Amino acid sequence: AQSVAQPEDQVNVAEGNPLTVKCTYSVSGNPYLFWYVQYPNRGLQFLLKYITGDNLVKGSYGFEAEFNKSQTSFHLKKPSALVSDSALYFCAVRDMSYTDKLIFGTGTRLQVFP
Amino acid sequence: GAVVSQHPSWVICKSGTSVKIECRSLDFQATTMFWYRQFPKQSLMLMATSNEGSKATYEQGVEKDKFLINHASLTLSTLTVTSAHPEDSSFYICSARGFSGYEQYFGPGTRLTVT
Repeated sequence: AQSVAQPEDQVNVAEGNPLTVKCTYSVSGNPYLFWYVQYPNRGLQFLLKYITGDNLVKGSYGFEAEFNKSQTSFHLKKPSALVSDSALYFCAVRDMSYTDKLIFGTGTRLQVFP
Repeated sequence: GAVVSQHPSWVICKSGTSVKIECRSLDFQATTMFWYRQFPKQSLMLMATSNEGSKATYEQGVEKDKFLINHASLTLSTLTVTSAHPEDSSFYICSARGFSGYEQYFGPGTRLTVT
């Protein structure tokens, strides 16, 4: 069965510092991986995806993610954090069943301090 | 592009009544729509997947007779919570996926409170 794990419930970082939000996956076959962000009382916003190709994927709002097959990881990164980046971040993997659904991790709350 | 709306954004209803939530893809045709439920400080729980013109596929443990899903067109899906009870109070989020691509685009969510 496909699954993703987000080992950190919360990540704290100072504004201007680089940030990393971790995600590891378990799939059979090639993974289709996604990152979404959720602001309070809102739906999820798509940040980026990895389907195939370059291991470094660039997305919205200056975020990028690095796909590492040997470590089965897909960590979200940003070189310089902003206070406005504070939100809940979800990693997801596509389920290759006929429903083609996304399987989400438990989420990581990012807190950027001024 | 890829905007999904939900209506209403919040609703309060009395126990025993039914509530309908609409999910619309505004600028693309959605072959598949998904309905999620999210409890406070928790991840999203997929309730069901619906394809236009066919019956929804419900996840294990989700009561199909209680959570009625209709996907009548390529831009509209509805979730009806029938005979609502306080334990149905939650944040309901829909998402839609178009003909191409694998990402889902999410609506802003509907907060349901059953009193």
